[in-house]
Amino acid sequence: EPEVTQTPSHQVTQMGQEVILRCVPISNHLYFYWYRQILGQKVEFLVSFYNNEISEKSEIFDDQFSVERPDGSNFTLKIRSTKLEDSAMYFCASSEWGLADYTDTQYFGPGTRLTVL
Amino acid sequence: AQSVTQLGSHVSVSEGALVLLRCNYSSSVPPYLFWYVQYPNQGLQLLLKYTTGATLVKGINGFEAEFKKSETSFHLTKPSAHMSDAAEYFCAVSDPPPGNTPLVFGKGTRLSVIA
Repeated sequence: EPEVTQTPSHQVTQMGQEVILRCVPISNHLYFYWYRQILGQKVEFLVSFYNNEISEKSEIFDDQFSVERPDGSNFTLKIRSTKLEDSAMYFCASSEWGLADYTDTQYFGPGTRLTVL
Repeated sequence: AQSVTQLGSHVSVSEGALVLLRCNYSSSVPPYLFWYVQYPNQGLQLLLKYTTGATLVKGINGFEAEFKKSETSFHLTKPSAHMSDAAEYFCAVSDPPPGNTPLVFGKGTRLSVIA
């Protein structure tokens, strides 16, 4: 069964460093998302991406964050200058965008645990 | 703004007992409702969802949930718990289409199953 994959599974970085989290969405999916979960808190939406541009973003997704689809398979989240409060589990998700047979189920990857020291 | 409340951060049941995980939502429009499960070191897996139509929705692994508009609830149940059901369960809500709108999650409920 197709699945969303994410790398790395765990990333440790120093405060102020740039990190790139990588995701490979399901191949025929057209909508991509990033969510994060700070330890002990809710899973929160960061950003959605469709047709090579940001579709929607939350107030968490400030100028320190960016997303990119550098090729036909990868979807990345970049944090330019990490802060301690960026430590969280980051989930990538993807969904189809059908027309006649619309489905909006979001399929999630296993997550990348980011630890900022 | 939408919000989701899951009552009980941790629920413990005996193997074979009824599982009931509670979810209440607030939304200004009839929402789409989801239950996801997360097993250790894995991603969020869709258990079931309600969009329109029949309010009792059946999902994978014997779980079901009922949308009750008057109570703004979408509680998850399973008649008989199995050890393999031990996991974290998340209720989520989104606006209906058009568009693939973001999911708003509850805080999650950790289910433990005791032998």
